[in-house]
Amino acid sequence: DGGITQSPKYLFRKEGQNVTLSCEQNLNHDAMYWYRQDPGQGLRLIYYSQIVNDFQKGDIAEGYSVSREKKESFPLTVTSAQKNPTAFYLCATLRDTGELFFGEGSRLTVL
Amino acid sequence: DAKTTQPPSMDCAEGRAANLPCNHSTISGNEYVYWYRQIHSQGPQYIIHGLKNNETNEMASLIITEDRKSSTLILPHATLRDTAVYYCIGSGGYQKVTFGTGTKLQVIP
Repeated sequence: DGGITQSPKYLFRKEGQNVTLSCEQNLNHDAMYWYRQDPGQGLRLIYYSQIVNDFQKGDIAEGYSVSREKKESFPLTVTSAQKNPTAFYLCATLRDTGELFFGEGSRLTVL
Repeated sequence: DAKTTQPPSMDCAEGRAANLPCNHSTISGNEYVYWYRQIHSQGPQYIIHGLKNNETNEMASLIITEDRKSSTLILPHATLRDTAVYYCIGSGGYQKVTFGTGTKLQVIP
């Protein structure tokens, strides 16, 4: 079955450490997105990529970095520069009909 | 991407129709209106989308005003499992897609 795999599902890290969240898709979708969600809040766009080797900043890109070397993969690195990294992170792809398809998310807690 | 405005919360009695409004006065001519819902601690799920005609699928109906400045998502017979946060967004595809704060729908037994 086609889908999006986000890993790890839960992650604990010490303050000051860089963390990389994985997002892999086998849907053959060109565009991929990363969102952050804080408790009781909506989704905020971090980065998005429309094609391989290209990506754009979203509304809250500071303290994050991404790469898009393969169509299937869009990893997100949460750097030590991100002041409040504890959050729920969601990866999504864009179907040909324009709707987003989401993974199950990764919950990052910084201790 | 179009800016959307939704009421923060709504209640609906189980079995009754839930009508969720959305204002999107800045939507451009080639942007569709998409609706998603998010159940606690899961990724949002696509519900329905439309451009200017009303749309219906197995989950819901979407009514878009003639001037396209607002729309209403209708869940015809709300169940407890429809309790979720509902998001309305305007998008033309292959671009920045942003979410607002959505409407928290509580279905009451």
